[in-house]
Amino acid sequence: EAQVTQNPRYLITVTGKKLTVTCSQNMNHEYMSWYRQDPGLGLRQIYYSMNVEVTDKGDVPEGYKVSRKEKRNFPLILESPSPNQTSLYFCASSLRLGGFNEQFFGPGTRLTVL
Amino acid sequence: AQSVSQHNHHVILSEAASLELGCNYSYGGTVNLFWYVQYPGQHLQLLLKYFSGDPLVKGIKGFEAEFIKSKFSFNLRKPSVQWSDTAEYFCAVNAGNMLTFGGGTRLMVKP
Repeated sequence: EAQVTQNPRYLITVTGKKLTVTCSQNMNHEYMSWYRQDPGLGLRQIYYSMNVEVTDKGDVPEGYKVSRKEKRNFPLILESPSPNQTSLYFCASSLRLGGFNEQFFGPGTRLTVL
Repeated sequence: AQSVSQHNHHVILSEAASLELGCNYSYGGTVNLFWYVQYPGQHLQLLLKYFSGDPLVKGIKGFEAEFIKSKFSFNLRKPSVQWSDTAEYFCAVNAGNMLTFGGGTRLMVKP
């Protein structure tokens, strides 16, 4: 089944404790992206990747890191999480960006930073 | 930078009422436009998309949207809503390498 998977689905952590949220897609998509969803603000793009070893900042990259060593994986890293990073996070992928290419979203990761 | 505005944050309708959700974007060049839906507790799913051609596009579940270039708008419509349409709806615009979402409209349909 074609899908985007994220782990963990739920995470409660404390300020400053490094964490990684994994994202994997099995559709051989070139484009992958991370968003955070906050009430009233919609989805805001954190980082995106056009292909392996190519990443770029979105609208809200501060406090986050990403890597794209393999085409299928795009982990989101919070080196020193803070309470303002409490949010719902979505990973998404598409064949490429632009044109008629639809983004496929993962199930989301609800992160709470105490 | 491009931006997307959804004017209605919360909409409450009765079943069988007609729906129109507004979406305006700010970007002067060529854009691709999308509407996504997020049902309670689920991830985003694509409702419909516009790339080029006929500005009136039809999506799944009876939804349609009209691209009006002169107004920078891409409003979502449905002639008769159902209780199962209760969800949050997001307009999104792709220009260049970014996909920008609006703030979302939370729709509640009363049975």
